[in-house]
Amino acid sequence: EADIYQTPRYLVIGTGKKITLECSQTMGHDKMYWYQQDPGMELHLIHYSYGVNSTEKGDLSSESTVSRIRTEHFPLTLESARPSHTSQYLCATRGQLGYEQYFGPGTRLTVT
Amino acid sequence: QKEVEQNSGPLSVPEGAIASLNCTYSDRGSQSFFWYRQYSGKSPELIMFIYSNGDKEDGRFTAQLNKASQYVSLLIRDSQPSDSATYLCAVISRGGYSSASKIIFGSGTRLSIRP
Repeated sequence: EADIYQTPRYLVIGTGKKITLECSQTMGHDKMYWYQQDPGMELHLIHYSYGVNSTEKGDLSSESTVSRIRTEHFPLTLESARPSHTSQYLCATRGQLGYEQYFGPGTRLTVT
Repeated sequence: QKEVEQNSGPLSVPEGAIASLNCTYSDRGSQSFFWYRQYSGKSPELIMFIYSNGDKEDGRFTAQLNKASQYVSLLIRDSQPSDSATYLCAVISRGGYSSASKIIFGSGTRLSIRP
């Protein structure tokens, strides 16, 4: 099982602020993912990375950006937060040999 | 048609009974299948995976895969109130992102175990 950490767990912030959601993992997994999920709704993939300096956009268009400078770290940034960004953001990794994904605890973001 | 379809529920099952959750997928070339459990406000937790046709048992959970009919199911025996959650089916399809396989999640089935 992967050890995946996300900070902050909860964030309430005003419109227009720049925010960075942190995701880190200790398993050395190359593949990492960001999902967005509204309460009671399905998961939407917004970004993924297959390794250092590799990032791609997912199925759901997002105004956020990501970076992957180190294997263990995959932060997500919103340059100017808006109320429409209010959601839960979930980070996940996938193991080297297996296909299963492991999720972090999530960050619940509220933009006022 | 969605690539992975699940009945959204809620599915209500009495405590101690068998809960049966179903999932169908559209890509006949799909290779790997997963069931995740997600409690309200929490992140998904992997509970089962299955790669081959047939049944796979793990404790009270049994995953069943039928590639010819393109469905995968999850049975929960001796259902407990703690099993009340949303269950997500996930499928690895062919192709997807470059040379890597793409994991596709269903929208989930909400299960409620009534005492």
